[in-house]
Amino acid sequence: QQQVKQSPQSLIVQKGGISIINCAYENTAFDYFPWYQQFPGKGPALLIAIRPDVSEKKEGRFTISFNKSAKQFSLHIMDSQPGDSATYFCAASTSGGSNYKLTFGKGTLLTVNP
Amino acid sequence: DSGVTQTPKHLITATGQRVTLRCSPRSGDLSVYWYQQSLDQGLQFLIHYYNGEERAKGNILERFSAQQFPDLHSELNLSSLELGDSALYFCASSVGANSGTDTQYFGPGTRLTVL
Repeated sequence: QQQVKQSPQSLIVQKGGISIINCAYENTAFDYFPWYQQFPGKGPALLIAIRPDVSEKKEGRFTISFNKSAKQFSLHIMDSQPGDSATYFCAASTSGGSNYKLTFGKGTLLTVNP
Repeated sequence: DSGVTQTPKHLITATGQRVTLRCSPRSGDLSVYWYQQSLDQGLQFLIHYYNGEERAKGNILERFSAQQFPDLHSELNLSSLELGDSALYFCASSVGANSGTDTQYFGPGTRLTVL
């Protein structure tokens, strides 16, 4: 059972364009939604995260939009640069309870052409 | 560099064998997590240890086991290896016990190839 569905699988954007990656979740107990960035040969690294008490969070060129009623959240990369080319993973977890874990989407390979 | 170290970087072995992957967390981090990354399944959580104790289990096979030692380093043992176990294995660490919200810092991974 895939609890976090991510799309698209791959995305090609021109330099300066906007990259948009979407995720949908099923478990209404999820209350923490991070995005990770992974470059080839490296481990994933936290990029930005959001909690459901806000609908949007922005850090530089990266913005998370969150829609609690639709159980969806998305990552927007403004003014995309070739250096942003990487695989992006959304994830979700619960902050309470005793058996919490990060559930990841399957990833989006972003290519930003110069 | 996340501060999390993993050894070895690459491992090639045969079916039926047993291997041990090692992880050293960032200085000061008490939690260690193990993940398996494959093309078809993506990043799958395996197990979480906090200060030497198992805290959560994910999709970890019975052939796999892990432990966290008093010096906080962790080992993931994979036995009776099958072709399908070929994957990237990541270790991550965080300061606290709440894997739900603590930032997890990932190591560079161990690429396991089972022939």
